[in-house]
Amino acid sequence: DTAVSQTPKYLVTQMGNDKSIKCEQNLGHDTMYWYKQDSKKFLKIMFSYNNKELIINETVPNRFSPKSPDKAHLNLHINSLELGDSAVYFCASVGSSYNSPLHFGNGTRLTVT
Amino acid sequence: KNQVEQSPQSLIILEGKNCTLQCNYTVSPFSNLRWYKQDTGRGPVSLTIMTFSENTKSNGRYTATLDADTKQSSLHITASQLSDSASYICVVSSNRDSSASKIIFGSGTRLSIRP
Repeated sequence: DTAVSQTPKYLVTQMGNDKSIKCEQNLGHDTMYWYKQDSKKFLKIMFSYNNKELIINETVPNRFSPKSPDKAHLNLHINSLELGDSAVYFCASVGSSYNSPLHFGNGTRLTVT
Repeated sequence: KNQVEQSPQSLIILEGKNCTLQCNYTVSPFSNLRWYKQDTGRGPVSLTIMTFSENTKSNGRYTATLDADTKQSSLHITASQLSDSASYICVVSSNRDSSASKIIFGSGTRLSIRP
């Protein structure tokens, strides 16, 4: 019973291509996130959605477009991929209680060549 | 500026030994502090959470402390095991409303346990 699942786990593509990463959570959480983890293992928030509505957009290039068809899904579409987009992308969700922990997916390793 | 700083950046110890990881933060207002463990190739998993009024919390061989006055936290691992090899991330939240919470991550401590 995977709580937060991301697909694909690995994604290798060429510069200029468009790709999507999917995320689904079965925890009934209202809030979902996308994080980018760089080569130094630092996690940076990209987007936050609450009940399908965008809450946080942390100065991410508009080539990145999140889409939330329902509150259990938050997909990430990336246009015109660049070398600097290579990273591990994590989806996460959190419950409504203030002390609820983030539940992370296992990440999608994106490599742009 | 809200920041979370962790030390050391990396640590190698022998199996069976104890170790302590440090976290200093400047996040305000403070809601809670969590320690996460991230195994290689996996997402972070919560180990402990502490609010302002709590100064120690244990989860098996992991014991976290919090000094809200000095804005410092530590994670102590007792009798380390090979499976403890991972990155440990300190995360501080600044809002009680999780939907709008400011969540600030430390850059993590990479712990390696040698047999």
